[in-house]
Amino acid sequence: AQSVTQLDSQVPVFEEAPVELRCNYSSSVSVYLFWYVQYPNQGLQLLLKYLSGSTLVKGINGFEAEFNKSQTSFHLRKPSVHISDTAEYFCAVSVTNQAGTALIFGKGTTLSVSS
Amino acid sequence: DTAVSQTPKYLVTQMGNDKSIKCEQNLGHDTMYWYKQDSKKFLKIMFSYNNKELIINETVPNRFSPKSPDKAHLNLHINSLELGDSAVYFCASSPGWGTDTQYFGPGTRLTVL
Repeated sequence: AQSVTQLDSQVPVFEEAPVELRCNYSSSVSVYLFWYVQYPNQGLQLLLKYLSGSTLVKGINGFEAEFNKSQTSFHLRKPSVHISDTAEYFCAVSVTNQAGTALIFGKGTTLSVSS
Repeated sequence: DTAVSQTPKYLVTQMGNDKSIKCEQNLGHDTMYWYKQDSKKFLKIMFSYNNKELIINETVPNRFSPKSPDKAHLNLHINSLELGDSAVYFCASSPGWGTDTQYFGPGTRLTVL
């Protein structure tokens, strides 16, 4: 079964510092990977996704992620974070079978940016 | 205009009651979903609908029933509410299946007392 593991439940960082949020997946078939962000008391918003092609994917708000098939990872990075990046970040894999498609989410990483 | 909307935003009720959460999307999408986010913020798919047909029904209690009167709406009915049903419920929609981006509503925080 496909699954997603987010290796850090909480990541505290100072403003303007770089950050990496780690995500590993398990899958025996082609994978489609997503990063979503959830700001406090809001719904989820897509940051970026990997479907195929270039392994470096750029998303909104200066975030990027790199798909690494050999390490089954899809880590999210930002070179310089802002206070406004404080949020919950979810890595997800799209699972498709004859019954349809669903997103399988990791347990989330809380990014806390302080000044 | 809000793309995916849910009502109510907050719902507080007693154990044993029956309640509904409404979801509407104005994106013209063919597929809609319900997710449950527990107190530890873990998100899990509950249902999805494609062209008014239930496609995925995860191992949720049959007290939960999705109902789609039309392609733009997917409501969630919950009977005989239990304490463990307390969570945030998110509705989402996507153009189709597979790699399509899912767009989420703002969530409904359900508290069962």
